[in-house]
Amino acid sequence: QKEVEQNSGPLSVPEGAIASLNCTYSDRGSQSFFWYRQYSGKSPELIMSIYSNGDKEDGRFTAQLNKASQYVSLLIRDSQPSDSATYLCAVTHNDYKLSFGAGTTVTVRA
Amino acid sequence: DTAVSQTPKYLVTQMGNDKSIKCEQNLGHDTMYWYKQDSKKFLKIMFSYNNKELIINETVPNRFSPKSPDKAHLNLHINSLELGDSAVYFCASSLSPSGGTDTQYFGPGTRLTVL
Repeated sequence: QKEVEQNSGPLSVPEGAIASLNCTYSDRGSQSFFWYRQYSGKSPELIMSIYSNGDKEDGRFTAQLNKASQYVSLLIRDSQPSDSATYLCAVTHNDYKLSFGAGTTVTVRA
Repeated sequence: DTAVSQTPKYLVTQMGNDKSIKCEQNLGHDTMYWYKQDSKKFLKIMFSYNNKELIINETVPNRFSPKSPDKAHLNLHINSLELGDSAVYFCASSLSPSGGTDTQYFGPGTRLTVL
């Protein structure tokens, strides 16, 4: 049973468009939610964290959390070719463990 | 300055061999982790140490043995390597366990290939 699920993609968007990534999680007691970006052959890098329901914006990135629906999303506005990467959704429980989804690969077409 | 470093970056070895991967962090963090990322990019926690004490020990074959000589270092030793051990192994660190609210910083990864 997967704990964190994401659409594997690939998600292809034109430059300047909005990329929308979705993630659902199974443990209703999950407390913290993260989006990591991983370029091919590189290590994951944290780009957003969100802990309470609602939206959180940071530059071109917006994370949205809905705990009732057990759903977290990431919007990338004005997508750039440099945003082409795999985006990993990660969720923590109450046991220090960070569980990752399989990732969504995003390709931004110039 | 590299925050989380791992050696080696690449490791190619034969089945049945024993190998070690080393990790060091210079961030002053108390907590370190080992993750395995398979060919499908699925990143899974293996172990975590907080100030040299094991706090997460997932269902991992006992051929894998972590060792933390001090809180800045976390090594991973693998005995009797199998084909299925081929993956990228990432070390990470965070300020504290804190239910995972502290940002985890990842090392560059070690790509292990077992022939």
